[in-house]
Amino acid sequence: SYVLTQPPSVSVAPGQTARITCGGNNIGSKSVNWYQEKPGQAPVLVVYDDSDRPSGIPERFSGSNSGNTATLSISRVEAGDEADYHCQVWDSSSDRYVFGTGTKVTVL
Amino acid sequence: QLPLQESGPGLVEPSETLSLTCTVSGVSISSSSFYWGWIRQPPGKGLEWVGTIFYIGSTYYNPSLKSRVTISVDTSKNQFSLKLSSVTAADTAVYYCARHFSIVGATNDAFDMWGQGTKVTVSS
Repeated sequence: SYVLTQPPSVSVAPGQTARITCGGNNIGSKSVNWYQEKPGQAPVLVVYDDSDRPSGIPERFSGSNSGNTATLSISRVEAGDEADYHCQVWDSSSDRYVFGTGTKVTVL
Repeated sequence: QLPLQESGPGLVEPSETLSLTCTVSGVSISSSSFYWGWIRQPPGKGLEWVGTIFYIGSTYYNPSLKSRVTISVDTSKNQFSLKLSSVTAADTAVYYCARHFSIVGATNDAFDMWGQGTKVTVSS
């Protein structure tokens, strides 16, 4: 089945840019969504269809997707951005929604 | 009141059936614009999609769980439910219910509204 690989952790200083990668075979041909998950809270959709933002999500969150890697970028990082981030696609070969392994973003 | 709220036992014995309900508030579960799904996260692992239902009752499930999963909908109560049979310790997880919609022009759905999740432990 299709596997999405994310780095376990990313550390970033406040005000800098955090980049979270999501690797998958030819993921550039798929539509990728990203979710933010904070402890004890409901996950939040922050980017859908590679680079679109739902209403209410700051412009600091952006996404890109090409080749074998999709990337979520968070610019001007704030303490409140500390969370786990998950990528997600639909895998038509196995007829299932697939999530990445998750990345914990730590704000230094 | 949260838009989506999971409820059900937090402890299930091995070989028994796990049963959870998701109560939807503020939006009709009968909307033709949305699907309703269950996702779980075992301790220390990533998210795993369990299955999805449309308000008319059509379902699709994760092939790896299909033989044990049943999802149903009760439009009169604005709820949908999950049953997972013959559970083992591997089914221990936080279970989330979520709403998703088809992305126009893309072969993917986005899960745009989630419950806070409920922890289910399988143990005797």
